[in-house]
Amino acid sequence: DGGITQSPKYLFRKEGQNVTLSCEQNLNHDAMYWYRQDPGQGLRLIYYSQIVNDFQKGDIAEGYSVSREKKESFPLTVTSAQKNPTAFYLCASRQNTEAFFGQGTRLTVV
Amino acid sequence: QQQVKQSPQSLIVQKGGISIINCAYENTAFDYFPWYQQFPGKGPALLIAIRPDVSEKKEGRFTISFNKSAKQFSLHIMDSQPGDSATYFCAASRAMTTDSWGKFQFGAGTQVVVTP
Repeated sequence: DGGITQSPKYLFRKEGQNVTLSCEQNLNHDAMYWYRQDPGQGLRLIYYSQIVNDFQKGDIAEGYSVSREKKESFPLTVTSAQKNPTAFYLCASRQNTEAFFGQGTRLTVV
Repeated sequence: QQQVKQSPQSLIVQKGGISIINCAYENTAFDYFPWYQQFPGKGPALLIAIRPDVSEKKEGRFTISFNKSAKQFSLHIMDSQPGDSATYFCAASRAMTTDSWGKFQFGAGTQVVVTP
């Protein structure tokens, strides 16, 4: 069953901690993306990658980092430099036209 | 800057009624315009999409109308049902090339509530 798997579904972070959100796809898509969703603001692009070992900053990359060591995997690290990390994070992949989204990770700072 | 503007922010429609959501874009290089449906706590799922070489596309109760000269497109949900209650996002992108990387520009979303 092809698709995008994000884990965990819920994540709690203490102040000053780094946390990593997982995104795995078995669609054999080249392009992968991370979006942040806040109420009333739509989806904002954090990072994107079109090939292994290469990625680009999106519109709100500050305080985040990514890696793309394998085609199937595109993990996102939310660092302590991200001052307002509480949000819903969505991973997507794309080949040609349609983009497919994972089910999201809700990150909360406690 | 917001390259895709979506309105209204929210919409309440009675069961059986028509829901209409509008989007306007700026970049004439965009050539793919999808609509996504999102339920609370879930990821967005593709609902219907259109390319600029057609003015309308219909899939079941969902229709996209596209006006290339006005740089606008809209989603019509006919015979709205309570199960259609969700947030709808319009988006626009260029074809995937080295320059564009297939990035989507999303509208801010419209929360649709269909009352029984």
